[in-house]
Amino acid sequence: LAKTTQPISMDSYEGQEVNITCSHNNIATNDYITWYQQFPSQGPRFIIQGYKTKVTNEVASLFIPADRKSSTLSLPRVSLSDTAVYYCLGSPAGYSSASKIIFGSGTRLSIRP
Amino acid sequence: NAGVMQNPRHLVRRRGQEARLRCSPMKGHSHVYWYRQLPEEGLKFMVYLQKENIIDESGMPKERFSAEFPKEGPSILRIQQVVRGDSAAYFCASSAGAGDQEKLFFGSGTQLSVL
Repeated sequence: LAKTTQPISMDSYEGQEVNITCSHNNIATNDYITWYQQFPSQGPRFIIQGYKTKVTNEVASLFIPADRKSSTLSLPRVSLSDTAVYYCLGSPAGYSSASKIIFGSGTRLSIRP
Repeated sequence: NAGVMQNPRHLVRRRGQEARLRCSPMKGHSHVYWYRQLPEEGLKFMVYLQKENIIDESGMPKERFSAEFPKEGPSILRIQQVVRGDSAAYFCASSAGAGDQEKLFFGSGTQLSVL
């Protein structure tokens, strides 16, 4: 199972770039790295997913080095509304692999004015 | 295009009662997942279902908990004879298929409180 390790919490200020790093030393060859965002009293929301190198969408960028033992979620110019818990997880491919998707405790990101 | 719908949003039960949590997946999605979340903790996988089939229930407690996803209608997570320890947020997610790069779409959850 792809166990991930990420900081418990992070603080930043509005307008800053925030980088959250996740370690996944035992990630499987065919696992993708996926990040979700969760606000209080809501279900997680998909942010971004990648396999290696760099992926960018309208919300964030994801950097994955060649060895794939870690990944970094980059949030450009954060605002107060980015205050949430961010989960990094390995998404195994294939049928009936749902139980292998492990949500850890996530990183609680707090943005200050 | 409605997202994953869960109801009720909040459910209060007394010890020993039954709780029924409903989940309607996104339109076109035939895969449903149930997760449980305790305060300040991550989500714990419970069960994965497709229409009329339980694919993986390795995260379900052996007793009192059951889940179904009938041919017609929503997926139901049923908890019999609830105890205080069942109090948690229960999230349902759906996906289009169990292929590569699976993305889960979550509902807003049902907060179960057992008195």
